Amino acid sequence: EDQVTQSPEALRLQEGESSSLNCSYTVSGLRGLFWYRQDPGKGPEFLFTLYSAGEEKEKERLKATLTKKESFLHITAPKPEDSATYLCAVQVSGYALNFGKGTSLLVTP
Amino acid sequence: SQTIHQWPATLVQPVGSPLSLECTVEGTSNPNLYWYRQAAGRGLQLLFYSVGIGQISSEVPQNLSASRPQDRQFILSSKKLLLSDSGFYLCAWKTGGLNTEAFFGQGTRLTVV
Repeated sequence: EDQVTQSPEALRLQEGESSSLNCSYTVSGLRGLFWYRQDPGKGPEFLFTLYSAGEEKEKERLKATLTKKESFLHITAPKPEDSATYLCAVQVSGYALNFGKGTSLLVTP
Repeated sequence: SQTIHQWPATLVQPVGSPLSLECTVEGTSNPNLYWYRQAAGRGLQLLFYSVGIGQISSEVPQNLSASRPQDRQFILSSKKLLLSDSGFYLCAWKTGGLNTEAFFGQGTRLTVV
């Protein structure tokens, strides 16, 4: 069975303290890995798509990377407004995305 | 540009009452449409998806049904709500036929009392 596991479940950082979130997957035939940001009570907001091992994408303080077994979302010098839940999803076959449970990030001033 | 509208934002319904949640997409044609449910401490659970008008695939058998009466309209329904139907319901769309990202609506918080 295809699995998507995110770690840690929760992360608390001081403003400016860089860190990484992990998304590991056990799927056959990965067709895309997606990162989303979700604020409380809102729908997920799309961040990045990665398709092949070695690929990297950047947006402001966020950088996503992909290997054959996992993806990392690196957060450089985070600010309080980066606080959110970050979701990882994979597309294997068919038409839908399979999501992990997310990492809840809190950045304190 | 494409936009997705989902309503209502919040809903409190008694057990045994019917449900209808509506989702519409603008700015694209023939999208794939999805209904997800998000429960506390759990990931997004795919409920239904549709690749065209009248075409509905169910991922999890339950007390809910979906319909797609128009190309860009997706409706989630129930004839009789259960307490366990409470949750955060999300509609999403993606370009049909490609391994592309999905875009989500703002969600409906359903509480069954």
